[in-house]
Amino acid sequence: EVQLVESGGGLVEAGGSLRLSCAASGFSFRTTYMSWVRQTPGKGLEWVGRIKSKTDGETTDYAAPVKGRFTISRDDSKNTLYLQMNSLKTEDTAVYYCTRVKGGYSYAMDVWGQGTTVTVSS
Amino acid sequence: QSVLTQPPSVSGAPGQRVTISCTGSSSNIGAGYNVHWYQQLPGTAPKLLIFGNNNRPSGVPDRFSGSKSGTSASLAITGLQAEDEADYYCQSYDTSLSGVVLFGGGTKVTVL
Repeated sequence: EVQLVESGGGLVEAGGSLRLSCAASGFSFRTTYMSWVRQTPGKGLEWVGRIKSKTDGETTDYAAPVKGRFTISRDDSKNTLYLQMNSLKTEDTAVYYCTRVKGGYSYAMDVWGQGTTVTVSS
Repeated sequence: QSVLTQPPSVSGAPGQRVTISCTGSSSNIGAGYNVHWYQQLPGTAPKLLIFGNNNRPSGVPDRFSGSKSGTSASLAITGLQAEDEADYYCQSYDTSLSGVVLFGGGTKVTVL
C-alpha cells in the first residue's frame, strides 16, 4: 500500500524551529519528486516547496513566504522526507501535508499524508 | 487572495450537473500550464481528482471531468451524489510570482 506518514508537528514559539518528517512506503521513493503543502485552519491550500529526486540533482524550490527559512531534504536510504522550519512565524501555523509528485507532471500531487499540525505561538 | 479564482460555493440537487470554474491569467493557465484538481472531504487530506487538465487517476469516477480553455479551467460533476459534498481546489503553475505553484481558493460543493 502506498503510504505517507508525517510526524514532528507540535507547538513552538515564534522564532523557533521545528523539523517535520514524512515516512514513505509502497513505492520507489528514491525516484520520486516530493512536496510539502500546508493548510491554515479553515482556509485553503498553500504549496510550500518541492524536492526532485537524487537522479535529477535533488533540486529544491520553495514558495516565497518560506524561502530562506524552510529547507526540504530527503534521505533515500530511509525513505524519508524532511521539512526543516526555522525562524517560525505565527502565520506558519497550519496542517502540513507531505505529498508525492505524480510522475510526468511536475507539480501534480497524487498521494497525500494525513497531515501534521504545527502551531506557532506569539 | 489567490491568483486562481474559484467561486466560494456551488450547490446542486442529487443527479444534477455542477461546474466549478478556475480563472487564471496569462502567466499561469493562459501560458499553457497544466491544471490539476483536488477533492477534500471533511476532515481528510486532499485527493487528486483530475491531473493534466482532463485526466482522471484510476479509481476516480467518470462523473468527474476537467477542461481548460484560454485562461480558465473547469471541473464538472455530472450525476451529483451526496458523497461529492466536499471542497474542491484547482492548481496550476505560475511564472509571474516566486511562489511558483498556486492553488485556487477552493469551492465548497453542497448537495441539496
